Amino acid sequence: EVQLVESGGGFVQPGGSLRLSCAASGFDVTNKYMSWVRQVPGKGLEWVAVIYTDDVPHYSDSVKRRFTISRDTSQNKLHLQMNGLRAEDTAIYYCTKVFRGSYCRVSTCNTDQDYYSDFWGQGTLVTVSS
Amino acid sequence: IQMTQSPSSVSASVGDTVTITCRASRAFSSYLAWYQQKPGKAPNLLIYEASTLQSGVPARFSGSESGTEFTLTISSLQPEDSATYYCQQVESFPWTFGQGTKVEIK
Repeated sequence: EVQLVESGGGFVQPGGSLRLSCAASGFDVTNKYMSWVRQVPGKGLEWVAVIYTDDVPHYSDSVKRRFTISRDTSQNKLHLQMNGLRAEDTAIYYCTKVFRGSYCRVSTCNTDQDYYSDFWGQGTLVTVSS
Repeated sequence: IQMTQSPSSVSASVGDTVTITCRASRAFSSYLAWYQQKPGKAPNLLIYEASTLQSGVPARFSGSESGTEFTLTISSLQPEDSATYYCQQVESFPWTFGQGTKVEIK
């Protein structure tokens, strides 16, 4: 059974850092696409970052150069290192397992096309405030 | 790509058909997902590639596309369908979500 369990959230002052972790079970993170999605409580969803199977990362403009997505294959975990935190980063952060749709698995597509989150963790809350 | 979702909320009775629409700021083909989120829970993938039903999702959920408009249809609404629904485009970075549609049961 696939499970994702996030940890590492908490309260931090503006400008501070946090490292989120996502422990995966039921599959190997080594050869999977993985992502982070966040949600301000009571508001909508925002994609944050994705790491591809070749370890190439991609980020939303709002977190680029401040956040780093990575995976630890020895512990079967996904991480999100968050630096230079701002009040607007306050949100629930979800770790997701991502798959590529069947169309782009058999056809030539752009690198950012046809990816979907089929499993989500329960989320971890990050609060940035002075 | 901006995704404009409508309506923001809808109230319907058990057995009704509910339609939710996402309009994209530019045309693209099929790289769209629909997610269902219940209060206090993580989102759940319903449909991908605009019209492909995710494994385990009831067949009363369906998706379609026409030009820049993507539609999620819930046929024969059930009490457990009370939730917020989001579309997401995965055509190009940054992947973006619609604002969400809250479906309530009368």
